[in-house]
Amino acid sequence: GAGVSQSPSNKVTEKGKDVELRCDPISGHTALYWYRQSLGQGLEFLIYFQGNSAPDKSGLPSDRFSAERTGGSVSTLTIQRTQQEDSAVYLCASSAPSYEQYFGPGTRLTVT
Amino acid sequence: AQKITQTQPGMFVQEKEAVTLDCTYDTSDPSYGLFWYKQPSSGEMIFLIYQGSYDQQNATEGRYSLNFQKARKSANLVISASQLGDSAMYFCAMREIVRSGANSKLTFGKGITLSVRP
Repeated sequence: GAGVSQSPSNKVTEKGKDVELRCDPISGHTALYWYRQSLGQGLEFLIYFQGNSAPDKSGLPSDRFSAERTGGSVSTLTIQRTQQEDSAVYLCASSAPSYEQYFGPGTRLTVT
Repeated sequence: AQKITQTQPGMFVQEKEAVTLDCTYDTSDPSYGLFWYKQPSSGEMIFLIYQGSYDQQNATEGRYSLNFQKARKSANLVISASQLGDSAMYFCAMREIVRSGANSKLTFGKGITLSVRP
């Protein structure tokens, strides 16, 4: 079946602009995660959705970052008033209960 | 809080030989899971192997095995019979297991670069 998909694959934006990143999880996966990977670094957790429960937002670095998941499926990560330090690869993952997370190809965000 | 430590510098291994990638962790959670992921230069994260904290046996998946030493809080990945395609970044990660059937975020280490020489 189809894996996790993300769009766009690359995004270049000017400092101060808002951006939206999209994630389509694997069908039937109830959990969805957003991570950020800066150049040469490990993955940093941002936010986690599980079914109808309140999301775990503990990893969001500032109030410029927000995410929603509509209908328990597609998720959008929004970054407002982007800064240069927001430049990174944003990875989405999904999983079934108690199983490993499957990652999408990521969105490479460059803020100029 | 959970913490994963991967301190090895870039690793090199000769094709067909075995290599061990180190991972130590720290957690106060009584129940947790440990994962290894591979990230080739193309960027995708590929799941390799999983070890639960209460598993009696070390996990194995094909050429991958996990040397789990709970008392030492280490979960080293062993790759046997290295292949050129194994050249990649390798990440160790862990997650708390709150209850059966539940999910939670992964905490990742900084990764280790493995290069396989022909």
